[in-house]
Amino acid sequence: QQPVQSPQAVILREGEDAVINCSSSKALYSVHWYRQKHGEAPVFLMILLKGGEQKGHEKISASFNEKKQQSSLYLTASQLSYSGTYFCGTGDPGRTSGSRLTFGEGTQLTVNP
Amino acid sequence: NAGVTQTPKFQVLKTGQSMTLQCAQDMNHEYMSWYRQDPGMGLRLIHYSVGAGITDQGEVPNGYNVSRSTTEDFPLRLLSAAPSQTSVYFCASSRGGGPYEQYFGPGTRLTVT
Repeated sequence: QQPVQSPQAVILREGEDAVINCSSSKALYSVHWYRQKHGEAPVFLMILLKGGEQKGHEKISASFNEKKQQSSLYLTASQLSYSGTYFCGTGDPGRTSGSRLTFGEGTQLTVNP
Repeated sequence: NAGVTQTPKFQVLKTGQSMTLQCAQDMNHEYMSWYRQDPGMGLRLIHYSVGAGITDQGEVPNGYNVSRSTTEDFPLRLLSAAPSQTSVYFCASSRGGGPYEQYFGPGTRLTVT
């Protein structure tokens, strides 16, 4: 089942904060976050694993609530470069975890000057 | 390192024609996947592979075939193109053995008339 993202769209002014949520109807093992700019390929932001481990490359924070089966992405002091569509993807448990992701429909974030 | 490459970038097909979308990666990644992206639908998994000689179906496999004879290449074949297959196709690869970031290719924009 596809995870559900909210909100579908958000408009910010530079410097404001935003939270994007990702909820799943099944137990989560890993949650993957990507950002896609218009006309480009998705780019990796972060992975959150069951048990609390995080793997990320950018200064963006996220949380993973196993009981609620949801993850949230926190964008603080937004910059113009944060604009794009954010996708969460959920991974299955097991040895081949990460090979098969189910993505949400995306959250369109626009940051204005 | 070229990363993940896809050819062609754009393609127009007539209904009933067949073609192969090419995908190659030079990072020695075990996992490779094909996604399609339609407006408002996010990324949907078509087929994936966890190693050379091993492939499996994703969410929307009908009308597509894949094979993985080498670690580097993962072509996607459209057997008999239909207008419903008009989409942007992304190939992605990642390390095996656990959830790691997926690297996406630049995409192929396919139109079926």
